[in-house]
Amino acid sequence: SQTIHQWPATLVQPVGSPLSLECTVEGTSNPNLYWYRQAAGRGLQLLFYSVGIGQISSEVPQNLSASRPQDRQFILSSKKLLLSDSGFYLCAWTVSGTAIGTQYFGPGTRLLVL
Amino acid sequence: RKEVEQDPGPFNVPEGATVAFNCTYSNSASQSFFWYRQDCRKEPKLLMSVYSSGNEDGRFTAQLNRASQYISLLIRDSKLSDSATYLCVVGVFNKFYFGSGTKLNVKP
Repeated sequence: SQTIHQWPATLVQPVGSPLSLECTVEGTSNPNLYWYRQAAGRGLQLLFYSVGIGQISSEVPQNLSASRPQDRQFILSSKKLLLSDSGFYLCAWTVSGTAIGTQYFGPGTRLLVL
Repeated sequence: RKEVEQDPGPFNVPEGATVAFNCTYSNSASQSFFWYRQDCRKEPKLLMSVYSSGNEDGRFTAQLNRASQYISLLIRDSKLSDSATYLCVVGVFNKFYFGSGTKLNVKP
């Protein structure tokens, strides 16, 4: 069966510090991968998605970046965090192809930028 | 304009009540439709996919109206455990768009 891991679960970082969040998927090959952010009391905002290694599509201009160095690994990064980067970061995967399949989410990372 | 719009609620209903949520989407090229459930401080989990012919899963019934670009979810015989935020989700090509969610509180 497929599983998706995210770490860390919780992170408190000062403004201006770097960020690296990791997501890995097990039990499937060539998944579509997604990063979302959910601000407190708000809906999910799509940040990045990837249909293959090295292929990253950015949805929202921001100080974040994403990379997919391996088929089942998706990394979200920032060189300098802003207060507005605080939120609940969720990684998700679907079977490759168009967005007709179910999305499965990791447990998420709660980021607080102070 | 938002891709997916939902009434944020909250909907406060007694146990046993029937409650309906609605959702509209703006992109006529949308290909797939879902309802997800999100509990407080947890990741979203799939409740059900939504098909053009409508579909039912136990106490839950979902409907899709492509002409009106409208999706609905009906919950019958509400349970305390149904209390959560319900997210309407639309898939377009390789992307998914989420509504901001409708909060449901089921009271004893």
